[in-house]
Amino acid sequence: SYVLTQPPSVSVAPGKTARITCGGNNIGSKSVHWYQQKPGQAPVLVIYYDSDRPSGIPERFSGSNSGNTATLTISRVEAGDEADYYCQVWDSSSDPSVVFGGGTKLTVL
Amino acid sequence: QVQLQESGPGLVKPSETLSLTCGVSGYSISSGYYWGWIRQPPGKGLEWIGSIYHSGSTYYNPSLKSRVTISVDTSKNQFSLKLSSVTAADTAVYYCARPTSPAGTVDAFDIWGQGTMVTVSS
Repeated sequence: SYVLTQPPSVSVAPGKTARITCGGNNIGSKSVHWYQQKPGQAPVLVIYYDSDRPSGIPERFSGSNSGNTATLTISRVEAGDEADYYCQVWDSSSDPSVVFGGGTKLTVL
Repeated sequence: QVQLQESGPGLVKPSETLSLTCGVSGYSISSGYYWGWIRQPPGKGLEWIGSIYHSGSTYYNPSLKSRVTISVDTSKNQFSLKLSSVTAADTAVYYCARPTSPAGTVDAFDIWGQGTMVTVSS
């Protein structure tokens, strides 16, 4: 089955840029989606199809995907961005399935 | 505005079957989308359980497939999850969700229910 690998944690100072990676075999050939989840809340979609932003998501959130790594970039990080972030793909293999990464805890210093 | 609401028992005994329902308001299930179930054990990450189209076509997580049944009831505008032979490892918050595309694909989930906690314990 397809595996997505995320760093467990990323720390960044307010106002700086945070980059959260999502690794997978030839992930660049798949569409990657990203979610933000704050404690006690349901996940919120922040990036879909690699780099599209749903309405209401700040332009500070952006995404890219190439080769074996997809990246969620958060510019001008704010305290309110502190959350868990998950990447997700659709693996259309012989046994199609949704796959989530293990999640990355973003800490704003 | 589309809203999803999970409902079902919050406590299930080991070896029994967990049953949850997701009620959909603001949209007719018959109109499309692969409606999904996702769970999250306490302190852990997200795990997709499976998805169902209004026609009844399903996709299941290969690791859960032998124990999972997802069904749809268009007359009640809801879809349901059954997970059999549960153990403590199935203790989790269970979410229902809708993907962004109404076509026959499972892509990003942009609408989520609030989630319901299910504990497996005797």
